Parts: sequence; structure tokens; C-alpha cells
Amino acid sequence: RKEVEQDPGPFNVPEGATVAFNCTYSNSASQSFFWYRQDCRKEPKLLMSVYSSGNEDGRFTAQLNRASQYISLLIRDSKLSDSATYLCVVNIRRGGNQFYFGTGTSLTVIP
Amino acid sequence: DGGITQSPKYLFRKEGQNVTLSCEQNLNHDAMYWYRQDPGQGLRLIYYSQIVNDFQKGDIAEGYSVSREKKESFPLTVTSAQKNPTAFYLCASSITKGTSGRAYPGELFFGEGSRLTVL
Repeated sequence: RKEVEQDPGPFNVPEGATVAFNCTYSNSASQSFFWYRQDCRKEPKLLMSVYSSGNEDGRFTAQLNRASQYISLLIRDSKLSDSATYLCVVNIRRGGNQFYFGTGTSLTVIP
Repeated sequence: DGGITQSPKYLFRKEGQNVTLSCEQNLNHDAMYWYRQDPGQGLRLIYYSQIVNDFQKGDIAEGYSVSREKKESFPLTVTSAQKNPTAFYLCASSITKGTSGRAYPGELFFGEGSRLTVL
């Protein structure tokens, strides 16, 4: 079983739409949770850290449900520039800190 | 500015050759990581190091080697034993946040990546 699972999409949404991505993790000892954005052929860049039940940053809201072991990312008022792949990342303390990545969810915002 | 520098950005290798990818950071982070990314797949952990002179195998360490002689540097060697080395290689570092007893891992910072192609 994979440590982190995401729906790969693709999600194709019109500008201004609200879109939500979900991610599940298998290890209940997971400590920290993150959403990264990756543009084509580039390195991942941190979008949001999720340390408690959730947090909000402008149009982006991340939520964590430890009981059900899932993390979500909500994007409101989608912009063309939001088109990218969104990676769910989970940290597990296993012989040191290890970070596990989902395969990513592809988003295309359409004019 | 602080950050992580990977080199080279693009590398072509003939079969049977070893190549070394450089990763240098000036963020004063203790932990460093090497990941491999293949098209349509997530990042997979090759090796990681929590402190100088110590490193651990990740999920796909076979055919790779690393060293951590300095805090700032974590080079990755792709050996001829790696059967399918063509991939995008990403180096990252992280720092522990919080205080003793309530420490938690901070986020990963990535270099720009090295794209290796075996001819």
C-alpha cells in the first residue's frame, strides 16, 4: 500500500471555479503535512504547510483530518496561473525524518 | 540569497559510466535528501542524511551512492549498476522546527533539479 495516495486527475476547470483535491495517507504516525505545486519540468515549490487542523492563505485552504487520515486543498476563484500539478507530501519519523509524496494531481484552468 | 544549488542541470551519459550530481546548500539545514522523479510518477526517495557523516538508504537506493562529508554538500553518484537511470533528480533539504520535546520537521526546500539522460 502506498504511503500517500492522490487522485491524479486531470482536473480541467474554468477560470473562477472552485476546485478541491484530496489526499489520503496510510501511516497514523505521520507528523507534518504539506501541499507543493510543481510546474512542468520544474522543481516542487511549497504552497502550504498543514500543521494543525488546517490553515488558509488567500484563495487556498488546506485541511487535515487525522481521524480519517486525509488532507485536502481547496482553491477558490481559480486563475489561469494556478494550472500545475499539486503534490501532497507527508512526513513520517522513521529512522529519521522521511517525506513521502503522492503522485500529484494535475490541474488545468481554462479561460 | 540562501538556497540549494544543483549541477549540472542537464547531463548525458553513456551506458556503463558513473556520473556524480552535485547538491550544495547554504541554508544551514541538517537534513538533506535525494529524490528521483519519472514521468507520471511521484518523487521517490533515493538516499537521505540527517547529519554530517551519516546517511540512510531510501526506497530505491540500489545503483546509487552518496556521501555527506560537509553539512553543505550531499553529492549523488549514479553508478553503472543503476538499470534505468534516465530521470529527473531532485535534491532537497529541511530543518527541524520547534524546541526540544516538541520538535517537528519543517518543509522541504528543493534545488532546480538535474535531468539525466542515458544514451
